[in-house]
Amino acid sequence: SQTIHQWPATLVQPVGSPLSLECTVEGTSNPNLYWYRQAAGRGLQLLFYSVGIGQISSEVPQNLSASRPQDRQFILSSKKLLLSDSGFYLCAWGTSGIEQYFGPGTRLTVT
Amino acid sequence: AQSVTQPDIHITVSEGASLELRCNYSYGATPYLFWYVQSPGQGLQLLLKYFSGDTLVQGIKGFEAEFKRSQSSFNLRKPSVHWSDAAEYFCAVGARGGATNKLIFGTGTLLAVQP
Repeated sequence: SQTIHQWPATLVQPVGSPLSLECTVEGTSNPNLYWYRQAAGRGLQLLFYSVGIGQISSEVPQNLSASRPQDRQFILSSKKLLLSDSGFYLCAWGTSGIEQYFGPGTRLTVT
Repeated sequence: AQSVTQPDIHITVSEGASLELRCNYSYGATPYLFWYVQSPGQGLQLLLKYFSGDTLVQGIKGFEAEFKRSQSSFNLRKPSVHWSDAAEYFCAVGARGGATNKLIFGTGTLLAVQP
């Protein structure tokens, strides 16, 4: 069966520091991969999606970037964090069936 | 453009009572429709989905949802709520025929269950 992992689970970082969040999927090949951010009361905002290695599409202009160095690995990064980057970050994978399956999330607090 | 509206931000029901969470969508054709549930501090879990066919779909944990094309709605129901159902519920819509299979989510409904 398929499994999706995210780490770290929680992270507290100062403003201006770099960021790297990792997501890996097991048990499937060539999945679509997605990064979402969830702010309180705001629902889910799609940040990036990828349909293959090295193929990244950005949904919202922002301080973040994404990379997909391997088929089942998706990384969310920032060179310098802003206070507004705080939130709950969710990675998801999907296939041609369009439904998406979510990881456990990373709680990021920028101080 | 696609959009999803969940008009109820917060709902409180008594344990054992019935539940209906509302979802309305805007889309030019029949979309893919989903309901997800999120417990505090956790990821989202897929409850059920509608692609085509029977407009009443059954999901996990005793939930069901009905697609009503005339009302552009996909409301989630449960006949008897359990305390463990307290969570946030998200409705989502996806476009047919797209290569990227993106979903658009509503802002969620937070369900509280009274003993």
